[in-house]
Formats: sequence, C-alpha cells, structure tokens
Amino acid sequence: IVMTQTPGSLPVTPGEPASISCRSSQSLWDGDDGDTYLDWYLQKPGQSPHLLIYTLYHRAAGVPDRFSGSGSGTDFTLDISRVEAEDVGVYYCMQRIKFPYTFGQGTKLEI
Amino acid sequence: EVQLVTSGGDVVQPGGSLRLSCAASGFSFDDSDMHWVRRAPGKGLEWVSVIYWDGGTTYYADSVRGRFTVSRDNNKNSLYLQMNALRSEDSGFYYCAKEGYSDSLGSWGQGTLVAVSA
Repeated sequence: IVMTQTPGSLPVTPGEPASISCRSSQSLWDGDDGDTYLDWYLQKPGQSPHLLIYTLYHRAAGVPDRFSGSGSGTDFTLDISRVEAEDVGVYYCMQRIKFPYTFGQGTKLEI
Repeated sequence: EVQLVTSGGDVVQPGGSLRLSCAASGFSFDDSDMHWVRRAPGKGLEWVSVIYWDGGTTYYADSVRGRFTVSRDNNKNSLYLQMNALRSEDSGFYYCAKEGYSDSLGSWGQGTLVAVSA
C-alpha cells in the first residue's frame, strides 16, 4: 500500500492552524471491525519518533487536544488547531491494515 | 515505564553483516509484538520487520526480505535483527518499537546507527 503525504514542507506561524494530508492507494477501513488503520507519528529533531494519533482519530496518551485526526477510506488529515513552537519536526502517516506496513514520505513542519 | 534500549549499530562494509539488539523492560515483553523501523539519512521512516509475541510469525519489508532476520529471546527480554548482505541503502538509524494502543507503534527505542560504507 502506497502512502502519499502532502505537503512535503509546511511553514507555519505559532498560533495558526496547520493541516497535513495523507492518501493511501487502498482503503484502510477494515469492514470486519469497522476500524480504520491509519496512525500519525511525529519525529522531533534529535529524537525518536513517537505516536500521536492511532486508528484514525484516537489521541495517544499525553498528546495535546490541539492535534486531531480525521478522514475515511483512503483520504486522511492531521490537523493542528493552533501550532506551538514545540510542534516542529517531521510528521508521518502510516498504514497498518496489512503487512508490510508503510509510511508516507513525511511532512516537515517549520516555524 | 517502558524502556527499549537499542544497540549494535556500527560501520560495516557493503556485503557485510551486523546484528542489532533491543533490550526491553517495564512491560510484559513476552506478550508484545515487536517491530523494527529505520530512517535512512535524508529520507523518511521505513517499516522493516515485525515479530509476533511468541516468535512464531514474522513479516518483512520487500527491501530486506531474504537478507534480514528478526528474532527474539523472551527469557532475556530481547529483540534482535540479523542483517546480512548489507548495502549502502541500509544505512541509517534503526529503531525497535513495541505495539501499543490498538497495535499501533506505541513505544520506540532511542535508535542505533548503521553505516554501510567501503
């Protein structure tokens, strides 16, 4: 499954909203359980990646509520309602409906 | 607290071999499916491999299948990645990750650096 993220780079102003798009070449919706297997990860400079959003829209523990995930089928969006300086890094979507799991190319968020 | 400590990264010549390790603590390792993910210099994340909790099932990315082997020792709370026939494009940081919420990659190690160069 090919994951396509846009944009590749996203300059933002603190306090303003930001949005990242992700598209999959196949549906990530599992008809058996009704879940959509799309996650979002963030790799901050000099750090390991960490989980932001799992199974389409669930925020991981400790993730601020300014982050939200949405979408369906093959089109997905990560929204940041008000960007903060600490949000800089590279954002990745990842599908895990089937192996091999695949990531999008990444979106570099810059202040 | 979940801790994943990766080690074994080194400089190796093309065609060479390397074994990475990931020492786990703070959770029930023998109940957890474990993954390897890498990031090549200047590139994005690439999922590499998974091994199920009992070691009985594994999957690989097409780019490493037949060259890399994932294994685990539940008695030692350790995960391994045996990498053979290394190529320059295998260079990068390698991370081990533990499945978390809904089998997402919930916890990640600090990564270990592999450099394949003549």
